[in-house]
Amino acid sequence: DAKTTQPNSMESNEEEPVHLPCNHSTISGTDYIHWYRQLPSQGPEYVIHGLTSNVNNRMASLAIAEDRKSSTLILHRATLRDAAVYYCILRGILNTPLVFGKGTRLSVIA
Amino acid sequence: DTGVSQDPRHKITKRGQNVTFRCDPISEHNRLYWYRQTLGQGPEFLTYFQNEAQLEKSRLLSDRFSAERPKGSFSTLEIQRTEQGDSAMYLCASSWGEGTLLYEQYFGPGTRLTVT
Repeated sequence: DAKTTQPNSMESNEEEPVHLPCNHSTISGTDYIHWYRQLPSQGPEYVIHGLTSNVNNRMASLAIAEDRKSSTLILHRATLRDAAVYYCILRGILNTPLVFGKGTRLSVIA
Repeated sequence: DTGVSQDPRHKITKRGQNVTFRCDPISEHNRLYWYRQTLGQGPEFLTYFQNEAQLEKSRLLSDRFSAERPKGSFSTLEIQRTEQGDSAMYLCASSWGEGTLLYEQYFGPGTRLTVT
């Protein structure tokens, strides 16, 4: 499976936007970029995914570089409830299980 | 709402004992996955089912581990002769799956196993 690289941790002030980066230089043409997050003491939850174009949903936005070698998850206004570990995952069309790395631990300061 | 549920939430057992965990997926989901998560790491895939068929097993799933999904509904994960290294959070997830179309996975709260 293609690998992703994320910072171990990031910190944000409440109500500020947060940009969580992910590098995936070995991405293949059929790999989708998925983001999941895991709140404390909970199972992971789906956030967003995309292939080539930027994507928006009620939780976040996903900005994908033109060469697809990197992407950024954008939380437009961080709240304390957004404090979690965020995982960037590449998923090919034949890859059903998710392959998690260590993710980025996001701390939100009030 | 009936999301993915897991039982028990916590299990403490002595080394050498057998344990069994249960997962109830979202009812219309045909795919069910088991993952294991140790402290500070992301979840690691163990196995998955499409309906009642076990389609893939990770090399992490040693002979002491067995999973079933009778009738394509709930699933059980059994660990025989537990070892201290089996201490982890065991997560279950479910999704709809159709050919190569990928759908998001919904995770349960996990079962935390402690082997003493």
